[in-house]
Amino acid sequence: KNEVEQSPQNLTAQEGEFITINCSYSVGISALHWLQQHPGGGIVSLFMLSSGKKKHGRLIATINIQEKHSSLHITASHPRDSAVYICAVRRNNAGNMLTFGGGTRLMVKP
Amino acid sequence: GAGVSQSPSNKVTEKGKDVELRCDPISGHTALYWYRQSLGQGLEFLIYFQGNSAPDKSGLPSDRFSAERTGGSVSTLTIQRTQQEDSAVYLCASSYVGAYEQYFGPGTRLTVT
Repeated sequence: KNEVEQSPQNLTAQEGEFITINCSYSVGISALHWLQQHPGGGIVSLFMLSSGKKKHGRLIATINIQEKHSSLHITASHPRDSAVYICAVRRNNAGNMLTFGGGTRLMVKP
Repeated sequence: GAGVSQSPSNKVTEKGKDVELRCDPISGHTALYWYRQSLGQGLEFLIYFQGNSAPDKSGLPSDRFSAERTGGSVSTLTIQRTQQEDSAVYLCASSYVGAYEQYFGPGTRLTVT
């Protein structure tokens, strides 16, 4: 079993819909990252979380340390949100190495 | 300011040849990371440099892979005797010391024929 699991693997939504992507992990962590990878391949860091909730524009990320679970929400989704969203964790006692989930491929249709 | 840059953007090489991939981190970033993304696979960590400390090489898949970072800035990832399974996008990222947010380069797409 992978240490970081994301669901769903693929997601298609209509423009305007509220989207949730989930990430569960099985190891102790010091931080969790959400990354966005566009079709051209470029990766952008969206959030880094160690507790609670963060919001940036239409994106919201939450983490529950006790349940080892994080969610990424997109409100009022738009076709430009179409990308692969990747969850990555920084494991305790593993330095700065990131362990990645398999990604969620999101397509938002107009 | 300038982001992380990588070169070449694409590299096609024959099996058995050696390749060098270059990463220029953001100026002032002392931490540098190499990752690999194989087709249809997720990202995997390869190696991490932090300042003058010994690099964390725990993610390198075999002894054919090596990396160096000269002068605390530019890094080169070298793959010797390339194999077809080495075909992937190789991504470099950098960050400030002690900071968690990493800034990714555009990647080098390596194809081994």
